[in-house]
Amino acid sequence: GIQVEQSPPDLILQEGANSTLRCNFSDSVNNLQWFHQNPWGQLINLFYIPSGTKQNGRLSATTVATERYSLLYISSSQTTDSGVYFCAVERGGGYNKLIFGAGTRLAVHP
Amino acid sequence: ETGVTQTPRHLVMGMTNKKSLKCEQHLGHNAMYWYKQSAKKPLELMFVYNFKEQTENNSVPSRFSPECPNSSHLFLHLHTLQPEDSALYLCASSQSNRDRGRVSGNTIYFGEGSWLTVV
Repeated sequence: GIQVEQSPPDLILQEGANSTLRCNFSDSVNNLQWFHQNPWGQLINLFYIPSGTKQNGRLSATTVATERYSLLYISSSQTTDSGVYFCAVERGGGYNKLIFGAGTRLAVHP
Repeated sequence: ETGVTQTPRHLVMGMTNKKSLKCEQHLGHNAMYWYKQSAKKPLELMFVYNFKEQTENNSVPSRFSPECPNSSHLFLHLHTLQPEDSALYLCASSQSNRDRGRVSGNTIYFGEGSWLTVV
């Protein structure tokens, strides 16, 4: 099956810093979503981005489908950005049968 | 608030108990999902329902029994669980198209999860 690798596994930032999270996948996909899981377990959908670039406030994401990777950019990080960021992909079929990566655990310190 | 509500948020049950997890979505979606998140493991898809019909059972043991009475509600009935079933169980929903059972790649919204401990 398709493999999803996220890097780095852990990231510690000072408030105000910028960061880039990466998601590599082993096969072509038609569905890619980024999520943030807060310390209480709530998963929030950040982007649905099988290709191209999107921006939402301090967050933006780019997926280069032909090269099988996606990047999540966090600018001017805040302590509320702490948590785990997941990338999830689906190869085909359109069943929303998402395969999740192991996540990047982000800690933002004041 | 994502529009997907799960109850209970925390559950402790013995291995001989029978309990149920409940999920309700207020987004007008027609696809609903159960995911399992164990410590040190990626999220795993368990079940998918599209227009109340089960379209995916990801080799889940029969001690987990889903029920989808309508497009807004999803249950996960639990019986004779094992300690290794302790995990965070997440419900989700998404828009879907009634196209040969396909859900289509639409944005998926998760509930807050139910933390389950089996003792």
